[in-house]
Amino acid sequence: AQKITQTQPGMFVQEKEAVTLDCTYDTSDPSYGLFWYKQPSSGEMIFLIYQGSYDQQNATEGRYSLNFQKARKSANLVISASQLGDSAMYFCAMREGRSNYQLIWGAGTKLIIKP
Amino acid sequence: GAGVSQSPSNKVTEKGKDVELRCDPISGHTALYWYRQSLGQGLEFLIYFQGNSAPDKSGLPSDRFSAERTGGSVSTLTIQRTQQEDSAVYLCASSLAQRTDTQYFGPGTRLTVL
Repeated sequence: AQKITQTQPGMFVQEKEAVTLDCTYDTSDPSYGLFWYKQPSSGEMIFLIYQGSYDQQNATEGRYSLNFQKARKSANLVISASQLGDSAMYFCAMREGRSNYQLIWGAGTKLIIKP
Repeated sequence: GAGVSQSPSNKVTEKGKDVELRCDPISGHTALYWYRQSLGQGLEFLIYFQGNSAPDKSGLPSDRFSAERTGGSVSTLTIQRTQQEDSAVYLCASSLAQRTDTQYFGPGTRLTVL
């Protein structure tokens, strides 16, 4: 079974609109962390935002926010006021357990922002 | 400060040749990771180093793959007798410590095996 599922292989969004990228996860460990990374065409993985399983509030970082719905096991990334530079691949990843360092990765969503 | 650096950025080699890929982590980061990303795919864990501890090699796909980390800093990933299926982008990441939440990635090395 997939541990991290990103159901949107590709998305087109008009510039300045908000966009939601879906991520669902599967774990039985009560302690876990969820990450979103951005990978532009240059190839580098850029860390965007982190949500811990015990965090009471949804994480936010500038234009990025994480819509964390624990009961549904979803951790959707929301980008407000999208910009052309947001065009990239976006990956959701999970770390299970307090001491486990390995990240489990989703297949990614390709986001294209239209002018 | 400087981020994670990797070299070369691109490597084209012939099947059967050995290649070495280099990663220079962020200064002060004790944890270092190697991943492989095939075209259009997510990341596949290869190997993990933490300080002077024995590395976790559980993700290495075959014994043709090996890695070392000298002096707790720079790491080299070696692929012997390369095969066409080794073609991928090899990404290196570092973090402050094993329990730190965030891994910071380098730009990757794109390996093409002809």
